[in-house]
Amino acid sequence: GQSLEQPSEVTAVEGAIVQINCTYQTSGFYGLSWYQQHDGGAPTFLSYNGLDGLEETGRFSSFLSRSDSYGYLLLQELQMKDSASYFCAVRPRDDKIIFGKGTRLHILP
Amino acid sequence: KAGVTQTPRYLIKTRGQQVTLSCSPISGHRSVSWYQQTPGQGLQFLFEYFSETQRNKGNFPGRFSGRQFSNSRSEMNVSTLELGDSALYLCASSKMGITGELFFGEGSRLTVL
Repeated sequence: GQSLEQPSEVTAVEGAIVQINCTYQTSGFYGLSWYQQHDGGAPTFLSYNGLDGLEETGRFSSFLSRSDSYGYLLLQELQMKDSASYFCAVRPRDDKIIFGKGTRLHILP
Repeated sequence: KAGVTQTPRYLIKTRGQQVTLSCSPISGHRSVSWYQQTPGQGLQFLFEYFSETQRNKGNFPGRFSGRQFSNSRSEMNVSTLELGDSALYLCASSKMGITGELFFGEGSRLTVL
């Protein structure tokens, strides 16, 4: 079947860099998206990789490699407010959007 | 510009009842999609509507249904509620579909007793 795998939890220190990986088993999808969700809040869009390579938006970067069935979200200069859950998502062609189960990011002071 | 609005935000129902949830997308957005979020399963796709037509449906039983109106507002209905239907139901809108950026509402938290 089609699935996205993410680590369930990641812990990092304030000011550091953290990478959240997303591996997938699906073929022929449009692109990889990342969303952030704080407790009790709505998911908010962070980035979209339609093509292979790195996309940078401020402190956040996202990477996609279709040949390796792999993507990641990179968060730099971590701040306490970055403590949240992060979801990767793909929409396979002719199929329904799939979300990973989310990675809970804990940031230590 | 106003975001995606979902109503009601919280509701409690008992098994066997039915529920209707409403979603008003961002003005100009014609695509509305619905998701069920539970701690164990993450975000699971329910349906997608575009210009009043259902474009796709997730793997949920027929008790889950939806529709979209000419003003792009959408509703979803769950009939014969089960305890396992307790979840956060999220609606998202986008301009052209769900390949790019989705704008989510705050969700409707349903508790089934």
